[in-house]
Amino acid sequence: DIQMTQSPSTLSASVGDRVSITCRASQSISSWLAWFQQKPGKAPKLLIYEASSLESGVPSRFSGSGSGTEFTLTISSLQPDDFATYYCQQYHSYPWTFGQGTKVEIK
Amino acid sequence: QVQLQESGPGLVKPSETLSLTCTVSGGSIRTYYWSWIRQPPGKGLEWIGYIYYTGSTNYNPSLKSRATISVDTSKKQFSLKLSSVTAADTAVYYCARGAGGSFLINDHWGQGTLVTVSS
Repeated sequence: DIQMTQSPSTLSASVGDRVSITCRASQSISSWLAWFQQKPGKAPKLLIYEASSLESGVPSRFSGSGSGTEFTLTISSLQPDDFATYYCQQYHSYPWTFGQGTKVEIK
Repeated sequence: QVQLQESGPGLVKPSETLSLTCTVSGGSIRTYYWSWIRQPPGKGLEWIGYIYYTGSTNYNPSLKSRATISVDTSKKQFSLKLSSVTAADTAVYYCARGAGGSFLINDHWGQGTLVTVSS
């Protein structure tokens, strides 16, 4: 199985901050990586697919980059609605696997 | 806008079979792949498997063949059965739609349903 490792596990930030989350794959997954946002008691919501493509309706302050084994999700200016847990997922190989999550907290 | 809704018992006894159904509305069940994904309380996400509308399936080997996914296109539903459950199977179970070509992405998810395994 491809292991997905996110860092940091927790991130404390303020509204307006630029924040970045890293996701590393245990082997190359080309650009077959997605980012999801999950709020407490809710289902994950797709933000980014194919490493850098923004899902329809997702604010442009979210962006993704990377390929191969290292990927980054960046929020250019953190908004109150963005405090949540973020997961990366590889869909290059089966079984599909997720990172352990990064919780973005209010500083 | 496609919507997915999970349904099924919220409590299952150890060693029994967990059964859940996902109903698709607002869109076609054809030409898409339909997944089950679970999340133990306070933990991360685990993909269980998917089914294509034709009935072909793909499962996560970690479930050791305990999972079976089926589809009923006439009812626009797909289902999960997980046999021989233990407390480790306690989780929120999500159904999701897989879209794309050779590489699928889960772009729409149900709200999730909590299943507790306990006697």
